Amino acid sequence: GEDVEQSLFLSVREGDSSVINCTYTDSSSTYLYWYKQEPGAGLQLLTYIFSNMDMKQDQRLTVLLNKKDKHLSLRIADTQTGDSAIYFCAENSGYSTLTFGKGTMLLVSP
Amino acid sequence: DAGVIQSPRHEVTEMGQEVTLRCKPISGHDYLFWYRQTMMRGLELLIYFNNNVPIDDSGMPEDRFSAKMPNASFSTLKIQPSEPRDSAVYFCASSLISGRGSGNTIYFGEGSWLTVV
Repeated sequence: GEDVEQSLFLSVREGDSSVINCTYTDSSSTYLYWYKQEPGAGLQLLTYIFSNMDMKQDQRLTVLLNKKDKHLSLRIADTQTGDSAIYFCAENSGYSTLTFGKGTMLLVSP
Repeated sequence: DAGVIQSPRHEVTEMGQEVTLRCKPISGHDYLFWYRQTMMRGLELLIYFNNNVPIDDSGMPEDRFSAKMPNASFSTLKIQPSEPRDSAVYFCASSLISGRGSGNTIYFGEGSWLTVV
């Protein structure tokens, strides 16, 4: 069945790079997503990558996809305290639905 | 553009009471999802609709939960009777799927924070 795994917690210092990792199981996923959830708020789409791509860069965000290993990562350059949030990896294992990981809590300390 | 709108944002109710959560999806979206988020289980898909028709309700925990979508701009999730273990954040989300090659970005509301005491 479909499963998305993430580490639960990451702590970094302001200005460092953060790397959040995710593994998924459905090799037929055509898109993979990163969502961000700030305290008391809903999930906000950060970025997504099509499965035929290896990398996608969007300002401070870099997404790397290793389809062979079913591994997805999100790198945040120059991490700021405002980046503290929970980050969810998701795959479109179904035509219309997404399967989410349990989320990685990123804590950025000054 | 207005996003997905949910109400109430917060609700505290007593065990045994009926709870109704409401959602207005993004205009023009053809899919609507109800998710539940807890610390223990993460984000769970409860049910989703396509063009107002329920497609998959296998995630609905039990018969106490029901969801309706009477029209394209409104959906409800009802819990009757409510129990303390139903305490969670309930998210409504919507998406527009124009074809399999276009992805299916899902947009979330701010959530309804439910506490059953």
